[in-house]
Amino acid sequence: SYDLTQPSSVSVSPGQTAKITCSGDLVAKKYARWFQQKPGQAPVLVIYKDSERPSGIPERFSGSTSGAAVILTITGAQVEDEADYYCYSAADNQGVFGGGTKLTVL
Amino acid sequence: EVQLVEYGGGLVQTGASLRLSCVASGFTFSSYWMTWVRQAPGKGLEWVANIKEDGSEKYYVDSVKGRFTISRDNAKNSLFLQLNSLRVEDTAVYYCVRVVDDWGQGTLVTVSS
Repeated sequence: SYDLTQPSSVSVSPGQTAKITCSGDLVAKKYARWFQQKPGQAPVLVIYKDSERPSGIPERFSGSTSGAAVILTITGAQVEDEADYYCYSAADNQGVFGGGTKLTVL
Repeated sequence: EVQLVEYGGGLVQTGASLRLSCVASGFTFSSYWMTWVRQAPGKGLEWVANIKEDGSEKYYVDSVKGRFTISRDNAKNSLFLQLNSLRVEDTAVYYCVRVVDDWGQGTLVTVSS
């Protein structure tokens, strides 16, 4: 089975750039997605195919790759971006989520 | 607008069974893979199972193989998850998801010993 590793937490001040990494052999070979989840809510897709942004997602959210890692970048993070973020990928007909990163913006 | 509404969660004892349902609207249900994802209280997301558009392929996470069964009824725009031999560690919010992109609000399954 595959593992995707994320930092448990990231903190930034409002207006700063937040970067969340997701590493593992799987994301070196397959596309990744990123989800945002706020307390008590269902996850929301913010990035797909490593770097594509769904309609309605602010431009400050971007995705990139670097070797065996994918990176979610929030440029000019806002207080409302405080949430848990999960990376996801799939192989061998099974999906895998990273452990999640709690982003604090304050 | 894609809408996914889950039903069927509840409080059961270990060893019991439950059937979760998800009714879809706002898209052509029969054209999409569908997925169940769960989230234990205070924990991260876990992919549980998925099913091909026509139901001909189904895949499961190892921890539920032989206990859970995913199915669908395209005529009724519905997705199901049959949960048998439930364990305390199956306690979670279960989400119905279109592919892995559009999510319902989830239904809570609580398994008590």
